[in-house]
Amino acid sequence: GAGVSQSPSNKVTEKGKDVELRCDPISGHTALYWYRQSLGQGLEFLIYFQGNSAPDKSGLPSDRFSAERTGGSVSTLTIQRTQQEDSAVYLCASSLPGTQYFGPGTRLLVL
Amino acid sequence: DQQVKQNSPSLSVQEGRISILNCDYTNSMFDYFLWYKKYPAEGPTFLISISSIKDKNEDGRFTVFLNKSAKHLSLHIVPSQPGDSAVYFCAAPPESGGSNYKLTFGKGTLLTVNP
Repeated sequence: GAGVSQSPSNKVTEKGKDVELRCDPISGHTALYWYRQSLGQGLEFLIYFQGNSAPDKSGLPSDRFSAERTGGSVSTLTIQRTQQEDSAVYLCASSLPGTQYFGPGTRLLVL
Repeated sequence: DQQVKQNSPSLSVQEGRISILNCDYTNSMFDYFLWYKKYPAEGPTFLISISSIKDKNEDGRFTVFLNKSAKHLSLHIVPSQPGDSAVYFCAAPPESGGSNYKLTFGKGTLLTVNP
């Protein structure tokens, strides 16, 4: 069965560039989450989508970060004008809700 | 301010012995707790959970103990196997209960089980 997939698996970018990270949740899951894990840190909540409700964006660290979820399925996390401190593994998860199932993550390196 | 703390960044045990992974929390309003396991280059996978109304939950080789007075929980793996080598995260959902989104995670403990 298909799990949560994320692309790209790795992304290297230059400081100041914009990046887009994609998440394909498990089919039928109504809830979708983005987290990030910086080096030596635990997972940090970024944003939560549940059905057609307004997303909970309380974890986004700055206005350079935004996310969309189109058609209640695929989600895109966009980071504008990337900074070196944005380097991290960005993890997407989905759920029914209930137990969160995580994708493999996108490892972002900002040079 | 970390609400969920895993103070041991790493743990090494011999195959067949018990692994004990610890987690402390500061928010007494947490409803339940979860443990996730993460292999390199993979996302975390749910392992086991415990409700705050219980003090023990067992699933095969994995048992989680909760000591509410000490605000402490631990994950016991017995017997430990080399395939258990991974990073283990302790997590808790928001105190308001309901949907378990916005999990608060500890920093993780890297478990190495030596053959």
